[in-house]
Amino acid sequence: DVKVTQSSRYLVKRTGEKVFLECVQDMDHENMFWYRQDPGLGLRLIYFSYDVKMKEKGDIPEGYSVSREKKERFSLILESASTNQTSMYLCASSLSQGPGYTFGSGTRLTVV
Amino acid sequence: GENVEQHPSTLSVQEGDSAVIKCTYSDSASNYFPWYKQELGKGPQLIIDIRSNVGEKKDQRIAVTLNKTAKHFSLHITETQPEDSAVYFCAASKGAGSYQLTFGKGTKLSVIP
Repeated sequence: DVKVTQSSRYLVKRTGEKVFLECVQDMDHENMFWYRQDPGLGLRLIYFSYDVKMKEKGDIPEGYSVSREKKERFSLILESASTNQTSMYLCASSLSQGPGYTFGSGTRLTVV
Repeated sequence: GENVEQHPSTLSVQEGDSAVIKCTYSDSASNYFPWYKQELGKGPQLIIDIRSNVGEKKDQRIAVTLNKTAKHFSLHITETQPEDSAVYFCAASKGAGSYQLTFGKGTKLSVIP
């Protein structure tokens, strides 16, 4: 069964902390994505990657960075966590020719 | 860029009735339209998709229709069951080397037993 695994289901961090959210896929997918999900706002794209060491900004990249050192792993980094980054974070992956994403189960991050 | 509008934002139906969720898109170059179902505490899962060269696609109780001229597509669920209760997202992409999806804001479907 193909999988996208997010390392944590729930995280609580303090304001100003550096936060790492990890995502691993076992499907040899080229594309990987990070979204945040907020009530009434749907899914908003933060960053995506089409290849190892390659990254592209999505619609809301401010306050975030990413790392993709290996094909199967895509990390989202909150450089200095703030309360407005409290959200559900979803990782997804897809083949370069698509179609469709496979999502992870999400990480619910609370910044206090 | 692409913009996807989804309606309604919430929908309640009686068990056994049909449910319809509608989406419109702005970019006429979009040619791939998936639908995702997100159950509580889980990530979205692909339930059905359609390409622009097809007008309708069915999978058991679920169907999707596409009107390219009007740039809208719809999800139809017949004989709804309580386990259909979830948030549904539509999406659109241009495909062919650009498989980045643009999502609608979601519809929370509640099926009342």
